[in-house]
Amino acid sequence: NAGVTQTPKFQVLKTGQSMTLQCAQDMNHEYMSWYRQDPGMGLRLIHYSVGAGITDQGEVPNGYNVSRSTTEDFPLRLLSAAPSQTSVYFCASSYSDRGLDIQYFGAGTRLSVL
Amino acid sequence: QKEVEQDPGPLSVPEGAIVSLNCTYSNSAFQYFMWYRQYSRKGPELLMYTYSSGNKEDGRFTAQVDKSSKYISLFIRDSQPSDSATYLCAMSPDSNYQLIWGAGTKLIIKP
Repeated sequence: NAGVTQTPKFQVLKTGQSMTLQCAQDMNHEYMSWYRQDPGMGLRLIHYSVGAGITDQGEVPNGYNVSRSTTEDFPLRLLSAAPSQTSVYFCASSYSDRGLDIQYFGAGTRLSVL
Repeated sequence: QKEVEQDPGPLSVPEGAIVSLNCTYSNSAFQYFMWYRQYSRKGPELLMYTYSSGNKEDGRFTAQVDKSSKYISLFIRDSQPSDSATYLCAMSPDSNYQLIWGAGTKLIIKP
């Protein structure tokens, strides 16, 4: 059971380039989300999805797009990379336990924008 | 002021010691409290979660919530070098709200 798989693990971009961070889960979870983690700050929610075809913005959505065509996949697209987007990105999928979302995280994608 | 505060550490203790990790928060509406462990270059993994007040124990780990003081704690008994990681707290008012995360405390257990 692979859980949540993120690719690539590392990426270096130049300012203005675009790229897609891939996320796949095999737990049949409806809920998926993308976070970024920066030093000294908690995880910040970028976008989330409550099911195929449904996405919504989180706390820091600017500069990112998402889509959810299947239950398994939830890619995050950087439209025009900026140095401020240098971060570690985590994808998570979750199920509900008595109303609380129990999240499973991928290993992360470490992104540097030069 | 951040809604959830954690001392970033590092907190360094000898193997076998009892470890206390803490978070303070400002929103009295928080009802769900969670602790995640994150090893270096890995994603967070859920350790424990509690609803409202009180204690919850799971093996060597105990989670404690003091809502009157807006303070939660994670205790680790008989700490092991394998417990060396960053510990993140997270909380929310109810199931319809996104989790609010602390920045994490780095714990080092010295053999």
